[in-house]
Amino acid sequence: ETGVTQTPRHLVMGMTNKKSLKCEQHLGHNAMYWYKQSAKKPLELMFVYSLEERVENNSVPSRFSPECPNSSHLFLHLHTLQPEDSALYLCASSPRGSITSGRDTQYFGPGTRLTVL
Amino acid sequence: QKEVEQNSGPLSVPEGAIASLNCTYSDRGSQSFFWYRQYSGKSPELIMFIYSNGDKEDGRFTAQLNKASQYVSLLIRDSQPSDSATYLCAVLDRGSNYKLTFGKGTLLTVNP
Repeated sequence: ETGVTQTPRHLVMGMTNKKSLKCEQHLGHNAMYWYKQSAKKPLELMFVYSLEERVENNSVPSRFSPECPNSSHLFLHLHTLQPEDSALYLCASSPRGSITSGRDTQYFGPGTRLTVL
Repeated sequence: QKEVEQNSGPLSVPEGAIASLNCTYSDRGSQSFFWYRQYSGKSPELIMFIYSNGDKEDGRFTAQLNKASQYVSLLIRDSQPSDSATYLCAVLDRGSNYKLTFGKGTLLTVNP
């Protein structure tokens, strides 16, 4: 699979579990993003990494912990989540940490559907 | 609190008709605007980007921007059943190079 890949595609976890979501981009991009998409709510930016440095933490609870070991990989570590955290988690990448031009668009991965019991 | 408003739909149009999708935004200083298409169970993909007042055309798609009215729209000409999807309007936050505020999306259904 090319572009932006995410694993797992589906995840069910209890509130006391610890799990991680993985994102990998094969596009040579320098910026990566985590988004949350809940039913009936707008797509919401969570974190942004540019050149492996976190440049945005959009007031996300500490039970979500991102990690970007290199420009191709992005993780979202999850612990002690709540049922309201159930959502589709989307990873995206862009050539640079700037999308002011339509040429520098974000490419989204297929998402991980997370259910917290 | 920045807001981007869209009618949730569903908007239903017959095949071959023009579909008109509308979006309003609250921050008058916003400069860049995006339309994404999201098929059911899939991830969003960018279809149009606009930053100047007026119309921007790309194939069957036309984006229209009116900054004075804080209004951006997407027209789809000769609508096809394959255009059936949720269309997300997104606005780049003023002063940011990468932070988008999204609307909830409008579900479009094109009937054969």
